[in-house]
Amino acid sequence: NAGVTQTPKFRILKIGQSMTLQCAQDMNHNYMYWYRQDPGMGLKLIYYSVGAGITDKGEVPNGYNVSRSTTEDFPLRLELAAPSQTSVYFCASSYTGSGDTQYFGPGTRLTVL
Amino acid sequence: ILNVEQSPQSLHVQEGDSTNFTCSFPSSNFYALHWYRWETAKSPEALFVMTLNGDEKKKGRISATLNTKEGYSYLYIKGSQPEDSATYLCARFNQAGTALIFGKGTTLSVSS
Repeated sequence: NAGVTQTPKFRILKIGQSMTLQCAQDMNHNYMYWYRQDPGMGLKLIYYSVGAGITDKGEVPNGYNVSRSTTEDFPLRLELAAPSQTSVYFCASSYTGSGDTQYFGPGTRLTVL
Repeated sequence: ILNVEQSPQSLHVQEGDSTNFTCSFPSSNFYALHWYRWETAKSPEALFVMTLNGDEKKKGRISATLNTKEGYSYLYIKGSQPEDSATYLCARFNQAGTALIFGKGTTLSVSS
């Protein structure tokens, strides 16, 4: 198993540009998550999904959109990039919810200039 | 949003020292508490998932305890090694039991 994969690893955007961060898992996990990590702030949940076709907002959803058309994929979309979205983004997945370990991808480092 | 607090924020110990950190959380509507180890430039890796009051889990030199009634968990590292240097995160689930709320972590540095 490849586990949780994320692409790209690094990206620089200009203000106002849009992009999609890709996340895929091959563990047949139902739950998938997007987090951002800012210095000194820990991990903040952006969006999560409990299964294909079902998504919900986390703590910091503004400026982002997600979709979950398949069990494997959970892309995160930035429509109008802003400097405040400069961060490291982690995707994670778990088979079930609260009692289950989350497996994290390697992260995408995004800079918005 | 449920606040998860971790202390200390950072810690520096010598090789061979034993150490412990604290994770505090609201005790109401408790589902599970997670501990993760996060090395610089890598992704977080799960250490423990704890669900029952009084739970005690161990993995090598690392162990954790859980008190859901008073809302705290301790992580212990016995005989710290330089490779233990990392940020240790704890997290508990939101009230719906659908998503983790992370603390800011305790960053451990172990000198040889």
